[in-house]
Amino acid sequence: ETGVTQTPRHLVMGMTNKKSLKCEQHLGHNAMYWYKQSAKKPLELMFVYSLEERVENNSVPSRFSPECPNSSHLFLHLHTLQPEDSALYLCASSQITSGRYNEQFFGPGTRLTVL
Amino acid sequence: AQKVTQAQTEISVVEKEDVTLDCVYETRDTTYYLFWYKQPPSGELVFLIRRNSFDEQNEISGRYSWNFQKSTSSFNFTITASQVVDSAVYFCALSERGTGNQFYFGTGTSLTVIP
Repeated sequence: ETGVTQTPRHLVMGMTNKKSLKCEQHLGHNAMYWYKQSAKKPLELMFVYSLEERVENNSVPSRFSPECPNSSHLFLHLHTLQPEDSALYLCASSQITSGRYNEQFFGPGTRLTVL
Repeated sequence: AQKVTQAQTEISVVEKEDVTLDCVYETRDTTYYLFWYKQPPSGELVFLIRRNSFDEQNEISGRYSWNFQKSTSSFNFTITASQVVDSAVYFCALSERGTGNQFYFGTGTSLTVIP
């Protein structure tokens, strides 16, 4: 399998549920990202992991908890979400070389609906 | 302030027409990268092109062409002889050397090509 894969593709959860989104990249990249895409808004960068260390955390509520166990896998753990968290969650990966930020490759996203 | 502005929210063209998608960016960095992505209805963002700030040469790839002008801080994207398969949301993005791994995305332009 190639590229960036995400599971599940669709998720409906209640506000008291706990769920996890999974992302896997098969490109040999050293950085992975979580984005939130809501209607009519720019993509919002949530978290960045470079060499498995979190390097960006853009004021994301604690009900979102990322995990990067290795360079190929990234998780987003969800708990006690709010209806406004309903969105498309996109995972991306890229190869970061010294002083150069290469294009990010995206997965198909997880469409999350919080009831 | 928005670092990447895509003023056109929605565009509709008839098949075989040419269409230009505008992108204006804002940065104080002298080294930066600009990108275009395509997001078809399936949701996955597909990388189209990267351009660095030192290379103002315009690029053509098949029916796609890009016009990078630093003087006007613009990186416009033209599709020649549009096809129905070009219908998608197109995002312009900026990455600055000085701000690490952050990608700034515009709000996207939704293109509909009518057969």
